[in-house]
Amino acid sequence: AQTVTQSQPEMSVQEAETVTLSCTYDTSESDYYLFWYKQPPSRQMILVIRQEAYKQQNATENRFSVNFQKAAKSFSLKISDSQLGDAAMYFCAYRSTNTGTASKLTFGTGTRLQVTL
Amino acid sequence: EAGVAQSPRYKIIEKRQSVAFWCNPISGHATLYWYQQILGQGPKLLIQFQNNGVVDDSQLPKDRFSAERLKGVDSTLKIQPAKLEDSAVYLCASSSYDLGPDTQYFGPGTRLTVL
Repeated sequence: AQTVTQSQPEMSVQEAETVTLSCTYDTSESDYYLFWYKQPPSRQMILVIRQEAYKQQNATENRFSVNFQKAAKSFSLKISDSQLGDAAMYFCAYRSTNTGTASKLTFGTGTRLQVTL
Repeated sequence: EAGVAQSPRYKIIEKRQSVAFWCNPISGHATLYWYQQILGQGPKLLIQFQNNGVVDDSQLPKDRFSAERLKGVDSTLKIQPAKLEDSAVYLCASSSYDLGPDTQYFGPGTRLTVL
């Protein structure tokens, strides 16, 4: 079974600065998807960025980018030019591509990001 | 485009009572998921539907939890009887292969408190 580990329960960053959230995972599969979701106090999970394991190029979405190290099974999220609205819980998630139509996400325990002035 | 709708947003019940949650996925999404998120943890899949058929319910406590998706559209998750450890946020999500099978869109969740 796949597992996802987020070792940073909380992180803090000043507005306009850069912060990196860590995620490691364990799998025996060679092809899969990785995601970062944001969950603000409203509880709605919002997709931030996704990465296909077969792609060597790191995904980027505006101020959000990932550092995907497949051999190390590491998938960190970098937030540049942090804004107050970035404050939320961030979850790393894994999805297998080898399960037919079963496509559940396996989540880590989350990192709470605080953004200070 | 309307998102995933869930109701109620909050529910407080006594242990051993019954409760039901409702989810309406994004229009046209064939796949629907129910996740349980206990405080301080990431969401855990309870059940996945493809249209009105169950794809994965391996982590659903079937002695007390049940779910249905009649007509392949909206879905209901029921707990009967509830236990204290069922206190959690219940998230519904949906996805469509037309948009790529890996993108799940989540609703706002229902926060359940069992006293």
